[in-house]
Amino acid sequence: GEDVEQSLFLSVREGDSSVINCTYTDSSSTYLYWYKQEPGAGLQLLTYIFSNMDMKQDQRLTVLLNKKDKHLSLRIADTQTGDSAIYFCAASYGSGNTGKLIFGQGTTLQVKP
Amino acid sequence: DAGVTQSPTHLIKTRGQQVTLRCSPKSGHDTVSWYQQALGQGPQFIFQYYEEEERQRGNFPDRFSGHQFPNYSSELNVNALLLGDSALYLCASSLTGGDQPQHFGDGTRLSIL
Repeated sequence: GEDVEQSLFLSVREGDSSVINCTYTDSSSTYLYWYKQEPGAGLQLLTYIFSNMDMKQDQRLTVLLNKKDKHLSLRIADTQTGDSAIYFCAASYGSGNTGKLIFGQGTTLQVKP
Repeated sequence: DAGVTQSPTHLIKTRGQQVTLRCSPKSGHDTVSWYQQALGQGPQFIFQYYEEEERQRGNFPDRFSGHQFPNYSSELNVNALLLGDSALYLCASSLTGGDQPQHFGDGTRLSIL
């Protein structure tokens, strides 16, 4: 079936790199996403990667995809206190970019000054 | 360029009542998806609307129904509310046939007393 798993908590020091990991079960996923959620807010799209790509870099964010192991990671360089939030990994299933999204439980990132 | 807008932001209902939530997609988008996010969980897919019809549906009972209007906006209706329906309801929009990701609104926080 379709399932996405993430570790629940990560704590880093300001200025360090953060790496958030995610695994998914169904390899038919077309797009893989990272969303950020701050307290009381909706989901902010951070970045996404198409399933035939290995890596995508966008300023401080680097996404790595290992399709063989069904493993996705998000690296945040020079982590700031404003990066403290819950990060959700999501896999898209169905018609291209509009397929239903299956989310992990979210990883809470705590950034210590 | 307006993003995805949802109304109302907060709502309090009692068990057995009915509720309607509204969503306006991002400009240029024609597909609307609805998600339920319980406290401490990742969002779960309810259903998706395209061309005024339900295109995909998640594992939610028939008490959850929806509608899409010719201007692409959408409503989510929930009948016979249960305490377990308390959650953040998120709307996402996208363009079918495009290659851009789904964008989320800030959600409607529904509390059932």
